[in-house]
Amino acid sequence: GAVVSQHPSWVICKSGTSVKIECRSLDFQATTMFWYRQFPKQSLMLMATSNEGSKATYEQGVEKDKFLINHASLTLSTLTVTSAHPEDSSFYICSARANRGSNEQYFGPGTRLTVT
Amino acid sequence: RKEVEQDPGPFNVPEGATVAFNCTYSNSASQSFFWYRQDCRKEPKLLMSVYSSGNEDGRFTAQLNRASQYISLLIRDSKLSDSATYLCVVNIADSSYKLIFGSGTRLLVRP
Repeated sequence: GAVVSQHPSWVICKSGTSVKIECRSLDFQATTMFWYRQFPKQSLMLMATSNEGSKATYEQGVEKDKFLINHASLTLSTLTVTSAHPEDSSFYICSARANRGSNEQYFGPGTRLTVT
Repeated sequence: RKEVEQDPGPFNVPEGATVAFNCTYSNSASQSFFWYRQDCRKEPKLLMSVYSSGNEDGRFTAQLNRASQYISLLIRDSKLSDSATYLCVVNIADSSYKLIFGSGTRLLVRP
């Protein structure tokens, strides 16, 4: 149990376009999902916390108008990178926290974004 | 100062060796502690939670010292498949459930 999927697993897009990444909890409900970004040889950096039915909470330095997060259901959160630029190229990983009062998070397999 | 600090390594050890990783955290309100393993270009996977009493899972032993704000991971009888980056992770005792990741320690186990 506790499987999280992400789609797409990789994407190449042109500068200036927008890209949507989906994060789904397949066998559990997740009130809270998290979006991370990881640049090469660096650790995961939390971008935002996504709560079902409410606005996402962004970490300091993350532009909320550039990284749009929608968490419309208990099993789906989406991250849209708007007007992507080459510096947005990164590994984007989501995680989901099960509604069981546990601190454990389950990670998706990640989406590798390359902006040309 | 980083919230979670780790030696980046790499630790290059032969098969069968015992290797220890250390981690310190700065926020005394940290509540939960974990070691994750991340393979190249993959998502992190939970290796084990860390408890104050210490806990063991096969060849892996984790220790937590709350007074020193220090966490350790010991790997005995290293296998080639243990080669990965090991991430020290803490959770602050608030309602956000946010995880704070260390930068990771890279382990290379050689034949």
